[in-house]
Amino acid sequence: QVQLVESGGGLVRPGGSLRLSCAASGLAFSDSYMNWVRQATGKGLEWLSYISGSGGTIYYADSVKGRFTISRDNAKNSLYLQMNSLRVEDTAVYYCVRSGEMGTANYWGQGTLVTVSS
Amino acid sequence: DIQMTQSPSSLSASVGDRVTITCRASQSIINYLNWYQQKPGKAPKLLVYGASNLQSGVPSRISGSGSGTDFTLTISSLQPEDFATYYCQQTYSAPPWTFGQGTMVEIK
Repeated sequence: QVQLVESGGGLVRPGGSLRLSCAASGLAFSDSYMNWVRQATGKGLEWLSYISGSGGTIYYADSVKGRFTISRDNAKNSLYLQMNSLRVEDTAVYYCVRSGEMGTANYWGQGTLVTVSS
Repeated sequence: DIQMTQSPSSLSASVGDRVTITCRASQSIINYLNWYQQKPGKAPKLLVYGASNLQSGVPSRISGSGSGTDFTLTISSLQPEDFATYYCQQTYSAPPWTFGQGTMVEIK
C-alpha cells in the first residue's frame, strides 16, 4: 500500500532553516505529482508547493515563495522541502501529499511538526 | 488566485440528520473540486473528487454535487463516525490549489 512518511520537523529559531523529507513507498514515485500542505494548530489546510514527476514544473504559494524550495530525488523515492528564513507563523504540521487525477490529494503522510519559536 | 468560501464554518447535528456543506469558488472551476474529511490528530482523507465522484471505500450516504462556482457536500444520514472537519479544495488549472476554511461538524 502507499506510504508517505515525513521527517525532519522540530524546533527552530525565527530566521533559521529546516529541511523536511518525505519517504514514499508503494507507488510509482517518479510518475507522481507531489505537494506539501501545512496546517497550523487549530487552523485550516494551506497548500504550499507542487512538483511534477520529473521535477521540471514547480509552483509555490505566495506565503512561502522565495523562502521554501521543493525538490525530489526519484532514485531515492523521496520528496524534500527546504525551509529558510523561518517565521513564527510557519509553525504547523507539514504534510507530504501525492496528487492523483485532477490534482486530487489522494495520499497523505502522517505529518511532521515544525515549531518556530525563540 | 482562486478563493474558496465554505459555509457554515461549524454546525451541530444529531445522528441520523441530513447535513449539507457548501463551497463557493471566486471563479468557475468547472468540476475541479474535492472534498476531504479530517479527524483530530489525523491527516485529511479524500471523500469526493471531481465534484461528484465518490472515492473508493467512502460510504454512499456521502455525496457531492455542483459545477462552476457552487458546490455541495451532503451526508444523507449522519453517523457517529462522520463527526469531523470537512474541507473543500479546488484544483482547477495550475496551482495554487486552495482549500476552503473548513466546516466542523459537531454532535448536538
